Amino acid sequence: GAVVSQHPSRVICKSGTSVKIECRSLDFQATTMFWYRQFPKQSLMLMATSNEGSKATYEQGVEKDKFLINHASLTLSTLTVTSAHPEDSSFYICSAREDRKNEQFFGPGTRLTVL
Amino acid sequence: GEDVEQSLFLSVREGDSSVINCTYTDSSSTYLYWYKQEPGAGLQLLTYIFSNMDMKQDQRLTVLLNKKDKHLSLRIADTQTGDSAIYFCAESMGGKLIFGQGTELSVKP
Repeated sequence: GAVVSQHPSRVICKSGTSVKIECRSLDFQATTMFWYRQFPKQSLMLMATSNEGSKATYEQGVEKDKFLINHASLTLSTLTVTSAHPEDSSFYICSAREDRKNEQFFGPGTRLTVL
Repeated sequence: GEDVEQSLFLSVREGDSSVINCTYTDSSSTYLYWYKQEPGAGLQLLTYIFSNMDMKQDQRLTVLLNKKDKHLSLRIADTQTGDSAIYFCAESMGGKLIFGQGTELSVKP
């Protein structure tokens, strides 16, 4: 149990295009999901907290118009990187906090490469 | 501040014990966590400790918490090559997880 999936696992796109990444909790409900970004050999940096049915809360320095988050159901949150640039290339990881247990489970990550 | 700090690298021989250290800043953190990340993968929760505990043992893993010094350690007994990965400690703060930089553990045969 407590599996979180992300799709796609890898994506390569051209500069200026938008990319959507999905995060799903497969066997539990998650009112709250988190989006992280990880650069090579570095830690996970929290980008935003996604709350089902309401607006996401962004961390300082993260542009909400650039990284659009939608959490339309208790099992799905999406992160859209709009007008992607090469500096947006990174590993994006989501986590979902199980409502019943207050425990976070992490997805396998999405490797984004912007050419 | 919200700093969680770890040493960046640790190299051990197979069969030895590994000790990964972490310092954190928020004394009000309720839980402290250790995660493992293998190359190109997400994070796997290894273990966690409640802040009112000094020690927690789970098979080959031992977590020690010194709350006075805000110091957390993870000991892996009988380290195997499959333990090679990056290990992150994390503290919970306001429902969010704050991660350290990660310690890359290299296990030599």
